[in-house]
Formats: sequence, C-alpha cells, structure tokens
Amino acid sequence: SQKIEQNSEALNIQEGKTATLTCNYTNYSPAYLQWYRQDPGRGPVFLLLIRENEKEKRKERLKVTFDTTLKQSLFHITASQPADSATYLCAMNYGGSQGNLIFGKGTKLSVKP
Amino acid sequence: DAGITQSPRHKVTETGTPVTLRCHQTENHRYMYWYRQDPGHGLRLIHYSYGVKDTDKGEVSDGYSVSRSKTEDFLLTLESATSSQTSVYFCATEGQLAGGASEQYFGPGTRLTVT
Repeated sequence: SQKIEQNSEALNIQEGKTATLTCNYTNYSPAYLQWYRQDPGRGPVFLLLIRENEKEKRKERLKVTFDTTLKQSLFHITASQPADSATYLCAMNYGGSQGNLIFGKGTKLSVKP
Repeated sequence: DAGITQSPRHKVTETGTPVTLRCHQTENHRYMYWYRQDPGHGLRLIHYSYGVKDTDKGEVSDGYSVSRSKTEDFLLTLESATSSQTSVYFCATEGQLAGGASEQYFGPGTRLTVT
C-alpha cells in the first residue's frame, strides 16, 4: 500500500539557519504533495502544495521541492525564527476522492534563539 | 480559519457508551473528513463525505459511523466506545485550489478519553 514517511521525528536548529525537512513516499506516484504546520493543541494549517510537474515552489521564507525520481519532497525554511517552531506534516493525495490525503507522522522543528 | 468548529472540544466517557462528535462548517465546502491523530501514527482518515448523505470509509473506519444530513454538519459516532478510541479527532473540509488540486482546512480538534 502507499506510504509516506518523514524520516526525522525532531529537528533542532539555531535561529537564522535554514531548516530542511524530508518527506519520502513509496508505492504510489502522487499528483501533488502538500505541507502543513501544526502547533500544539491545534489543527494542521495548510502551507504549500507542489505538483508532480513542478520542481520547486516558494512562498516567502518557505521552499518546497518535489523529486519524482527520488520519490522525495524537501521543505526548507530559510532564516528560521523561534516562531517557526512547530510540527510540520507532509501529505500526498491518492486514488479515490481527489482530496483524500495520506499524512506523514510529522517532524517537530525547534528553533533556538 | 475556514470557519470550522468542533464540539465538544473535550470529552471523557466510559467504555461501551456511544459518543457523537460534531463538526460544523460555514464555508459551504462539499467534502468533509474525520481524522484521528495518535502519537506514532500521525493523522489517519476515519470517514469522509463528498456530499449530503454521501459518505465513504477511510483507513481506520471500524467502530465508527458518520452522517451528513446538511452540507454544514458532519457527525462522527463511536457506536460503543473502547479505550483504543482514545485520541484527538480532527474534522477537515476541502477547499479548491487553482488547477484542480485542493487543500484541507482543519478544525481545532476534540480530545476524547475513553476510560
């Protein structure tokens, strides 16, 4: 069955550095991948979507890449700030309803001042 | 926020009792979803709805049922709660993006404890 994995449960970095989070998928070729942010005690919030025919997508300090050969998406936060500390989830669509998503378990990012 | 509320926000119930969680949206979105989130498992889809009275099962649907009698409301029922159903439950709706893709908007969650 299709799987999506975020290899790191947690990532600790220093303020100002670039955070890079990894998402790998298997047994499927998704039409797009999405990234969400989740703060403690709250629901996930959509950040970015990248389609299979796009190599890279940017939004302010965020950048997402999609490598269909490696079956991998990378999520970058440049010039990271303590306010970026949160859990980040990747998700991929799969067959059936166009909106059905499989989510990774998330990577908890901590940005230290 | 996309105008999604969930009730109750917290609930403690006993094993064997029925429980109903409610999700209400004000965005007139067609698709609605119920997920559960557990440590070590992430978000898992329980059921979803693609219109009034139209629902389908997700990955972890056993022990759960849903109903959607109005566009704005999506109910999740635990027919006979078990301790394994202790979890945080999230409702989500689907908004359309350009090019046919969609994003999901999540409610604030319901923390359910089954004792």
